[in-house]
This record gives sequence, C-alpha cells and structure tokens, in this order.
Amino acid sequence: DQQVKQNSPSLSVQEGRISILNCDYTNSMFDYFLWYKKYPAEGPTFLISISSIKDKNEDGRFTVFLNKSAKHLSLHIVPSQPGDSAVYFCAASSNNNDMRFGAGTRLTVKP
Amino acid sequence: EAQVTQNPRYLITVTGKKLTVTCSQNMNHEYMSWYRQDPGLGLRQIYYSMNVEVTDKGDVPEGYKVSRKEKRNFPLILESPSPNQTSLYFCASRTGGRVETQYFGPGTRLLVL
Repeated sequence: DQQVKQNSPSLSVQEGRISILNCDYTNSMFDYFLWYKKYPAEGPTFLISISSIKDKNEDGRFTVFLNKSAKHLSLHIVPSQPGDSAVYFCAASSNNNDMRFGAGTRLTVKP
Repeated sequence: EAQVTQNPRYLITVTGKKLTVTCSQNMNHEYMSWYRQDPGLGLRQIYYSMNVEVTDKGDVPEGYKVSRKEKRNFPLILESPSPNQTSLYFCASRTGGRVETQYFGPGTRLLVL
C-alpha cells in the first residue's frame, strides 16, 4: 500500500528550462512533506520541505507547491542545471513520525 | 563533519549466513532508522529506534533484527539472509522532533545468493 506515489520514473529536461516533479499521496493525516535528492552511491539528502499549513515554499531555484485538496505536491527547479541530475524522492510524514517515501523520479538535465 | 557511516558498503553473501551491517552517527541524534530501497518501491522503513534500548518495527521488519545499546550505533542484523533481502540499505538518524533533520548514510548494497 503505497501512500506516496511518484508516477513518473524519469524526466528529461534541457539545461535552463524548468523541471517539474510530481508526487501524490493518499493519507490525509500527512502534515509535512519533503523532497530528497539522491546521487549514485550516496544516501538521499534533504532538499526542501513544506508544512501542510502552507501551499508554497521557495528556496533559491527550488520551489515546492502543495495542493491539499488534490493531495498533490510538486517540486519546481528553475533554471535546471546539469548538476541537478539525480533521483528525487518525495516523502510525507504525520506528527513528526516516520516518513513514507515515493518510488523516486530520475531527473536528467541535458546540457 | 556531521555524518552517518555504514559498513560494509557492498556485500555478497549466501543464503543463511548471518551478517551484520553497522551504522554509526556522530550528531548525538536520538532517532535512528533502517530503510531498504527497491526499484519501484522507494525507501521502506525496516526498524527504527527512538533512543537507547528503544526499538520498534517499521513497515518491512520480517527477517531483520536491530539493537540500540549505545546512542551512536544502530546495527542491522540478518540472522538467516534470503535472496529476497537483496537490496540497497540505508541507515538514517535525526533529532527526535524534526523529520527534516534526517541524515542518511551512504548505503549498503547487499546481494544474497
């Protein structure tokens, strides 16, 4: 029972363009959402998060949008850079308890 | 440097041969977890520990054991590994109240023949 879903296994964009990674969840108890970035042979690293009381959080080139009614969040990367090529995991948590992760989306940014 | 270390990084073993993957963190974090990553399934939590001598099952605990005798260490034990435990394993740690503080180790790739 996957409570967090990333339906696109991969995404390819041109350098300088926008990357949009999507994530859907089913559990309405989730109150905190996170994006992690993972390079090969390394562990995931925290990228950006958003609380359920907000609908947008921005950090430099990265913005996360939350649509609670649709149980959907997205990560926007603008402009995309080749160094952004990685696997991105969406995760959700309730009451600061354990996270549920999506399957990941592999982003490739082409020069 | 704040970090979570895991050893070994790569391991090939045979069915039934007991193995231990070590995990250590230097951030004085209360909370530690083990995850496994499988294609199409993302990261799934195996076991977690909220503090010394306090451990609990995650979503996929079958076939695994853990212990938390010291705050910094959280070893994962496979008493009798089976091929379906072939996976990429991550240890993680964080402060008790903030999920966004979670640090992951570099991963241990295990192949059980």
